[in-house]
Amino acid sequence: EAQVTQNPRYLITVTGKKLTVTCSQNMNHEYMSWYRQDPGLGLRQIYYSMNVEVTDKGDVPEGYKVSRKEKRNFPLILESPSPNQTSLYFCASSRTNSNQPQHFGDGTRLSIL
Amino acid sequence: GNSVTQMEGPVTLSEEAFLTINCTYTATGYPSLFWYVQYPGEGLQLLLKATKADDKGSNKGFEATYRKETTSFHLEKGSVQVSDSAVYFCALRGNNRLAFGKGNQVVVIP
Repeated sequence: EAQVTQNPRYLITVTGKKLTVTCSQNMNHEYMSWYRQDPGLGLRQIYYSMNVEVTDKGDVPEGYKVSRKEKRNFPLILESPSPNQTSLYFCASSRTNSNQPQHFGDGTRLSIL
Repeated sequence: GNSVTQMEGPVTLSEEAFLTINCTYTATGYPSLFWYVQYPGEGLQLLLKATKADDKGSNKGFEATYRKETTSFHLEKGSVQVSDSAVYFCALRGNNRLAFGKGNQVVVIP
């Protein structure tokens, strides 16, 4: 089954404790992306990757890091999480062509205390 | 840069009513346009898309037409069902970037 898998689905942690949210896709997609969803703000793109070893900032990259060492994986790293990063996070993947839709994971709800 | 604007506020309507959700966009070049739907506790799912001017996307009774002259991509459905209750997002993809509207909560009452 074609899917995008995120882990963990839920996480409560404390300010400053490094965390990683993993994302994996099995569709051989070149393009992968991370979003955060906040009430009243919709989805905002954090980082995206056009292919292995190619990453770029989205609209809200501050406080986040990503890496793309393999085509299927695109982890999101919060080196020193802060409460304003409490949010619902989605990973998505697609073919590179701009007319291709994104396939979304089920989301990761992060709470930073 | 690219941006998408959706009408403000939730939409509440009765079963079998006509649904319209407005979406306008700002973009350089020739973006592709999408509507996604999000059910509670789930990720976004593609509802329909249009990739060039005057294209009409359609799926599950929903339709939207890519209007370049008015930079709009309004979503419509002629007769909604309770199962259509969800959050709907308009989105744009262009220059390798994606932009989403803020979403509209749609509640259909039996």
